[in-house]
Amino acid sequence: GIQVEQSPPDLILQEGANSTLRCNFSDSVNNLQWFHQNPWGQLINLFYIPSGTKQNGRLSATTVATERYSLLYISSSQTTDSGVYFCAAPSGGSYIPTFGRGTSLIVHP
Amino acid sequence: NAGVTQTPKFRVLKTGQSMTLLCAQDMNHEYMYWYRQDPGMGLRLIHYSVGEGTTAKGEVPDGYNVSRLKKQNFLLGLESAAPSQTSVYFCASSPMGQSYGYTFGSGTRLTVV
Repeated sequence: GIQVEQSPPDLILQEGANSTLRCNFSDSVNNLQWFHQNPWGQLINLFYIPSGTKQNGRLSATTVATERYSLLYISSSQTTDSGVYFCAAPSGGSYIPTFGRGTSLIVHP
Repeated sequence: NAGVTQTPKFRVLKTGQSMTLLCAQDMNHEYMYWYRQDPGMGLRLIHYSVGEGTTAKGEVPDGYNVSRLKKQNFLLGLESAAPSQTSVYFCASSPMGQSYGYTFGSGTRLTVV
């Protein structure tokens, strides 16, 4: 099946800093999702982004499907951005996404 | 609109006991999934269902059984709990044929002693 790798595994920022999280996948995909798990464990879908770029407030995501990676940008980070960020992509021909191991983000005030 | 509801939220079991986790969704989604989350391992798919009366194995199905007798409910059963099944369990649902629109429940923290 598809391999989904995320980097970095851990990230510590000061409030106001910008960051880029990366997701590499081993096969071609027809969709990719980014999720945020807050410190209380709730998982929220951030982006569905099979290709191109999308923005939602201070967050944006870019997927370059031909090069098999996606990036999540967080600008002017806030303490509420803390948590774990997961990307997920299905194997070719499937709609069931495989999750990466996540990037744990801590934003200090 | 409750979305995806999981019960219970916490449970402690003794080795060898059985239990059932319930997932209920009110979005009329066709697809439902059970994941387990362990430290540093991300989310691993246990079983999933593509519609009422259907189930299929995921990445880590051993020791678990599932049933989907009604479209809105997806049950995860542990017949004989083992300490290795200590984990946080998440249920999710999505519309038919689409992996976007994924909605997760709030999770069940299970400890097997």
